[in-house]
Amino acid sequence: DAGVTQSPTHLIKTRGQQVTLRCSPISGHKSVSWYQQVLGQGPQFIFQYYEKEERGRGNFPDRFSARQFPNYSSELNVNALLLGDSALYLCASSFGTRDRGYEQYFGPGTRLTVT
Amino acid sequence: LAKTTQPISMDSYEGQEVNITCSHNNIATNDYITWYQQFPSQGPRFIIQGYKTKVTNEVASLFIPADRKSSTLSLPRVSLSDTAVYYCLVGDPNSGTYKYIFGTGTRLKVLA
Repeated sequence: DAGVTQSPTHLIKTRGQQVTLRCSPISGHKSVSWYQQVLGQGPQFIFQYYEKEERGRGNFPDRFSARQFPNYSSELNVNALLLGDSALYLCASSFGTRDRGYEQYFGPGTRLTVT
Repeated sequence: LAKTTQPISMDSYEGQEVNITCSHNNIATNDYITWYQQFPSQGPRFIIQGYKTKVTNEVASLFIPADRKSSTLSLPRVSLSDTAVYYCLVGDPNSGTYKYIFGTGTRLKVLA
């Protein structure tokens, strides 16, 4: 089975622009989470979605938004980009239920550079 | 949410057993403990997850004492390819605000 896939792999944007990152979960997984990882730090939780509903939100400004589609893929949108938004954006999927397991499987990430 | 504390870095030699301990004094009743491995410019990779006592899989063991205020990841016979950052996380998957908090992790360097 394919793992979690993310697109694009790399992205360069200018301050003030908007960006959309995409994630396809592992087949059968209904939960998708997004993380931001700044160089040298651990991943920081942004959002979690399960069955198209937002289940959790981290301490990020409203410029960050996300959604999950009926096929369980997800998009992360960031508006009004700041230099500090430059980071590796990681998507993780899981079954998200007690009986199927909570382990999160991460994709390779999207490297966003804001200039 | 429980906060975790891990050593910033560790060095080991090939073939040795490595034990990385994580402190989580404020762990809640429903929290699980999960460990991830991360190589540079890659997403974290799930290693092992547990709730109490001992869990073992093909790559590692996880030891959790009765009070669950700490946990130890044990990597048997490490190789150079185990050089990575290891993260300990605690979280309640069933909570309405299910999320994992990653700390700064432990940088393990395996030497030849």
